[in-house]
Amino acid sequence: GAGVSQSPSNKVTEKGKDVELRCDPISGHTALYWYRQSLGQGLEFLIYFQGNSAPDKSGLPSDRFSAERTGGSVSTLTIQRTQQEDSAVYLCASSLETLDEQYFGPGTRLTVT
Amino acid sequence: AQTVTQSQPEMSVQEAETVTLSCTYDTSESNYYLFWYKQPPSRQMILVIRQEAYKQQNATENRFSVNFQKAAKSFSLKISDSQLGDTAMYFCALPDSNYQLIWGAGTKLIIKP
Repeated sequence: GAGVSQSPSNKVTEKGKDVELRCDPISGHTALYWYRQSLGQGLEFLIYFQGNSAPDKSGLPSDRFSAERTGGSVSTLTIQRTQQEDSAVYLCASSLETLDEQYFGPGTRLTVT
Repeated sequence: AQTVTQSQPEMSVQEAETVTLSCTYDTSESNYYLFWYKQPPSRQMILVIRQEAYKQQNATENRFSVNFQKAAKSFSLKISDSQLGDTAMYFCALPDSNYQLIWGAGTKLIIKP
């Protein structure tokens, strides 16, 4: 079956512009995660959706970052007024339930110039 | 707070050799999972192996096995008969009290032909 997909795969934007990153999780997976990975670094948790519960936004680095998950499926991560320090790979993952194996998408490489 | 430490930024071995990647962690939980993920140059994060802390038996998956020392809070990954395709970043991860994965900084493993 189809895995987790993300779009775009690469995004170059000018400082100050808004960007939207999309994640399509595996069908039927109730949990969805967004992570940020800077060059040569580990993963930084951003936000977590589980079913119809309120999302865990504890990892969002600033109020410029927001995410939503529509219909319990597709998720969009929005970064407003992008800054150069936002440049990173943004990874999305989904799992059947919490603590199950997380299946990752290929990521979106965001470059803010 | 949970922490995960990978003290080896980079390792390289010859093809067919055995290599062990170290991971230490800290948690106040008594029951938890530990994970090793692999991220090849393609950027796709893949689960390698999972260990449940209440199980004394070390997890194994083909050429991959762990040495789980609960009292020492150590969770090392052994790769036997290493192959060129094992070249990747390897991350150790541990769920925190909110079930979010806390990630180590990663070890870059290079398998030389």
